[in-house]
Amino acid sequence: DAMVIQNPRYQVTQFGKPVTLSCSQTLNHNVMYWYQQKSSQAPKLLFHYYDKDFNNEADTPDNFQSRRPNTSFCFLDIRSPGLGDAAMYLCATRWDLGETQYFGPGTRLLVL
Amino acid sequence: AQSVTQLGSHVSVSEGALVLLRCNYSSSVPPYLFWYVQYPNQGLQLLLKYTSAATLVKGINGFEAEFKKSETSFHLTKPSAHMSDAAEYFCAVSPGSSNTGKLIFGQGTTLQVKP
Repeated sequence: DAMVIQNPRYQVTQFGKPVTLSCSQTLNHNVMYWYQQKSSQAPKLLFHYYDKDFNNEADTPDNFQSRRPNTSFCFLDIRSPGLGDAAMYLCATRWDLGETQYFGPGTRLLVL
Repeated sequence: AQSVTQLGSHVSVSEGALVLLRCNYSSSVPPYLFWYVQYPNQGLQLLLKYTSAATLVKGINGFEAEFKKSETSFHLTKPSAHMSDAAEYFCAVSPGSSNTGKLIFGQGTTLQVKP
């Protein structure tokens, strides 16, 4: 089945230690999104790629970066995680001529 | 600018009772509207969407929603709740014909289903 995959599902890191979260998709969608979702809150868009074009949200901290080496993969890098970065991170994809975003299962990040 | 308001952060119903989750939106352009469901420690799953076709939209798991432009609403209903419906529900809006397809989410409604 075509899908959005996120690895790992759970990630534990130490305060200040860089961490990378991974997203891959078999849908061949050209738009990919990264969201941060804190407990009992709605997802908050961090940035998205339209093909290779990177689009950062105005309020996304510099600590968060992303890479998209090809259509199928997208990475979220947190350079120096703080305790406040503990959250669920959701990846989503969309075909640019469609309306719907398809979400992966998420990666829950814990910062110790 | 667009926004979404979900009335009621927590809704509790008995199994077999009607489910009604409320969503109001504001949009300066014709919107696309979505309902997503999220189970604990899972991603978001699309329940249904409105994209300017039929105003009554049927989705998965017996849910449906009606787009009412005059009321700027897109409430989600299900005639008979099941225990498995207990989850977090998000209403979201996106501007129609947008390249970015950015979603603006409501704050979510937690649905509790009592036996």
